[in-house]
Amino acid sequence: QVQLQESGPGLVKPSQTLSLTCTVSGGSISSGSYYWSWIRQPAGKGLEWIGRIYTSGSTNYNPSLKSRVTISVDTSKNQFSLKLSSVTAADTAVYYCARDLGSGWYFFDYWGQGTLVTVSS
Amino acid sequence: EIVMTQSPATLSVSPGERATLSCRASQSVSSNLAWYQQKPGQAPRLLIYGASTRATGIPARFSGSGSGTEFTLTISSLQSEDFAVYYCQQYNNWPPLYTFGQGTKLEIK
Repeated sequence: QVQLQESGPGLVKPSQTLSLTCTVSGGSISSGSYYWSWIRQPAGKGLEWIGRIYTSGSTNYNPSLKSRVTISVDTSKNQFSLKLSSVTAADTAVYYCARDLGSGWYFFDYWGQGTLVTVSS
Repeated sequence: EIVMTQSPATLSVSPGERATLSCRASQSVSSNLAWYQQKPGQAPRLLIYGASTRATGIPARFSGSGSGTEFTLTISSLQSEDFAVYYCQQYNNWPPLYTFGQGTKLEIK
């Protein structure tokens, strides 16, 4: 059973860079044909896809965030990471990492529990 | 960008009754649509993908239908554990982009 766990600072100052890591257990991040994504959810609001990385390392980002987002993978640690630069209060949200179904089905079947990141001075 | 619109925003239904939730896409997404259930403090759970295929372990009382721009999630006989927020999600091939609806809150009547 694949499990995902987000980790990182819960508080980030405005204009700084938010950095989160997702650790994958129960399977290798580099096996299979899966995309690994970051998704966020402001309190009481809906879900927003941030971006994804393939096992090969190729990435795709939400155009609305593309200029500020970097997603990377460390296969030796079975982790992938998110960096979001120049954060503002609008970036305060619960951040989830997730994996898609694979086999060309781009829907998320495994999710982390989520981690709350607050942007505040 | 394809916009997903869910209706109603809130749906009040009694346990044991049927619930019907709607999701509309601003342009055709074929069958590239999923439904998720989210309970407070939890991550979303995949219920339906490909518009009508139940995900692993999802009870048969959940069913999805539709294609193109109009989609429906039906819960045939509501159980207490079904009261939650439901989101639809589409995937666009190019540029790659996943978008979610704003959610429907299913509450006990």
